Amino acid sequence: KNQVEQSPQSLIILEGKNCTLQCNYTVSPFSNLRWYKQDTGRGPVSLTIMTFSENTKSNGRYTATLDADTKQSSLHITASQLSDSASYICVVILKSGGGADGLTFGKGTHLIIQP
Amino acid sequence: NAGVTQTPKFQVLKTGQSMTLQCAQDMNHNSMYWYRQDPGMGLRLIYYSASEGTTDKGEVPNGYNVSRLNKREFSLRLESAAPSQTSVYFCASSDPPGGYGYTFGSGTRLTVV
Repeated sequence: KNQVEQSPQSLIILEGKNCTLQCNYTVSPFSNLRWYKQDTGRGPVSLTIMTFSENTKSNGRYTATLDADTKQSSLHITASQLSDSASYICVVILKSGGGADGLTFGKGTHLIIQP
Repeated sequence: NAGVTQTPKFQVLKTGQSMTLQCAQDMNHNSMYWYRQDPGMGLRLIYYSASEGTTDKGEVPNGYNVSRLNKREFSLRLESAAPSQTSVYFCASSDPPGGYGYTFGSGTRLTVV
C-alpha cells in the first residue's frame, strides 16, 4: 500500500532557529513530491514541488531535498519566524497520469515557533 | 482573489439533518475534489470530478453525494448527517488532474451533534 510517513508529529522551536522536517514514502512509481504549508483554519498551500530528477528546491527560507533512491524527503526551514507556525504536509504523487486518486498525503508535522 | 471558494466556513448539524457544502473555482480548472481532514489523519479523498459531467468515488465516499454543477462549481451533499462526519472539509481544483496547479479552498468546519 502506498504510504507517506512524516516525522516528527510535532515540533517546538525558538524563533530564529532552524529546523528540519522528514518525509518517508513507499509510493511507486513516483512522479513528484510536494510540501504544503497549512495555517490553522486554512487550506494547504504549496511550498515546493520536486520531480524524480530534482535533489533540492528552495522557496525563500524553505529548502526541500529529495533522495528518490531511499524514498526520503526533508523540508528545512532557516531562521524561523513566528509566521512559520503551521502544519507541514508532504504529498507524493503516483506516476499514473496524475489521476485524482494518485495523491498520497502524509499526516503532517505540526510546527510551533515560540518567541 | 483568484482561487477556490468554499461556503459555509462553519456549520453545526443535528444527526439526521442534511446539508450541501458549496465549492467554486475561478481558475478554469477541469478537475475538482472533495477531501475530509480529521485529527491525526492525512487528507482523505471523498469524491472527485476529473472534468465537467463526470464524478468518481475516492477513498471515503460513504454517506456523501456530489454534483458537478458546471465547470466552476462542485458541491458535496450529506443526506443524513452522522457524528462520524464531523470533520473539516476541503475542496480543491487542478488542471490537469493532480497537476502542479493543485489549489485548496480554506475549508468548512462541520460538527454533527
